[in-house]
Amino acid sequence: KQEVTQIPAALSVPEGENLVLNCSFTDSAIYNLQWFRQDPGKGLTSLLLIQSSQREQTSGRLNASLDKSSGRSTLYIAASQPGDSATYLCAVNGDAGNNRKLIWGLGTSLAVNP
Amino acid sequence: EAQVTQNPRYLITVTGKKLTVTCSQNMNHEYMSWYRQDPGLGLRQIYYSMNVEVTDKGDVPEGYKVSRKEKRNFPLILESPSPNQTSLYFCASSARQGPYSPLHFGNGTRLTVT
Repeated sequence: KQEVTQIPAALSVPEGENLVLNCSFTDSAIYNLQWFRQDPGKGLTSLLLIQSSQREQTSGRLNASLDKSSGRSTLYIAASQPGDSATYLCAVNGDAGNNRKLIWGLGTSLAVNP
Repeated sequence: EAQVTQNPRYLITVTGKKLTVTCSQNMNHEYMSWYRQDPGLGLRQIYYSMNVEVTDKGDVPEGYKVSRKEKRNFPLILESPSPNQTSLYFCASSARQGPYSPLHFGNGTRLTVT
């Protein structure tokens, strides 16, 4: 049974720091891994999707890497800003069929302090 | 603007009073799904739909019903709500049936059943 773990559960950093959020999964047979951002009172926003054949994806100050063999993904945020404060969730898709069911981590709550 | 719209955003009701949470997407997506989010449990899939008139159970379908009469709409129905259905609910949609495209989420519906 696939399990997804995110460490740390919470993180507080000063503005401008580069930081890394971690996501680990127990079953390496995945199709893709997706990073989301969740803001209070708002929905989830997809940040990056990494297919199983890819090693990393980049979008602006965000870079996500994937190491299937070790069951790990990291989300790197460069030059953090207060607007980056949110909960970051990772989710893996290992479904062999058409169901897009994702298995979710519990998230890392990030606070970037001015 | 491409979006998934859920209504209402907040709902307080009493045990046993039937309710419907609506979900609509304007991206012509085939795939739609409902999730609930609870502290310490993360997001869990309730139901999903791969196309019009095609629905199936997720991990926690008990106490819920769905319908997909039109491509854009995927309402979640609670015939007899109970307090254990108090949760934050998210509707999501995706362009393709397979696992290769990202999910788009609505802003969530916070339901309280007393």
